[in-house]
Amino acid sequence: GAVVSQHPSWVICKSGTSVKIECRSLDFQATTMFWYRQFPKQSLMLMATSNEGSKATYEQGVEKDKFLINHASLTLSTLTVTSAHPEDSSFYICSAITPVSYEQYFGPGTRLTVT
Amino acid sequence: SQKIEQNSEALNIQEGKTATLTCNYTNYSPAYLQWYRQDPGRGPVFLLLIRENEKEKRKERLKVTFDTTLKQSLFHITASQPADSATYLCALRENSGYALNFGKGTSLLVTP
Repeated sequence: GAVVSQHPSWVICKSGTSVKIECRSLDFQATTMFWYRQFPKQSLMLMATSNEGSKATYEQGVEKDKFLINHASLTLSTLTVTSAHPEDSSFYICSAITPVSYEQYFGPGTRLTVT
Repeated sequence: SQKIEQNSEALNIQEGKTATLTCNYTNYSPAYLQWYRQDPGRGPVFLLLIRENEKEKRKERLKVTFDTTLKQSLFHITASQPADSATYLCALRENSGYALNFGKGTSLLVTP
């Protein structure tokens, strides 16, 4: 199957700082990528849809100025958590859709801890 | 309101038996339904996709059924193995977009 990578796999940062997470589709081009957040024992919640070359579409309740998304190429989308707070601590997962079969593949996730 | 419900209780079965997981949905018109496996601290791993006009899909020991009248999908793992122990997620995609809507998942434990 298709491979999606994320970097870093985990990060610890201090409150008030910004953190950037990268999502790459390794063996296919993805015009659309997604960012999800998952709290312990909860389902994945969609945060935003990232489209290559255009602005991201955010789900209701997700602050676009806090969670900056950039999809600069067909294989890379980035999520920047700005002015992070402890309540932003979570597991962030990206996904990408394969262009022909529309199967959605997920990255391994990034564990963010804000102290 | 829209709901995707999976067995909330963990499913414990003996090695070699068939595991059957259920996904029921309300107020969705899914074009696709996908099943994923998720291990602790990891992202979901794609298993199978079934379209609204398909009744059944198979892949090795896995089988998925999709009944749009009952609004239900069943996910079967035959000849289960301890390595199959994980959380299994059901996800729906409607025609209006590519985003997936996930259930909370069912935890499967296969004991030797």
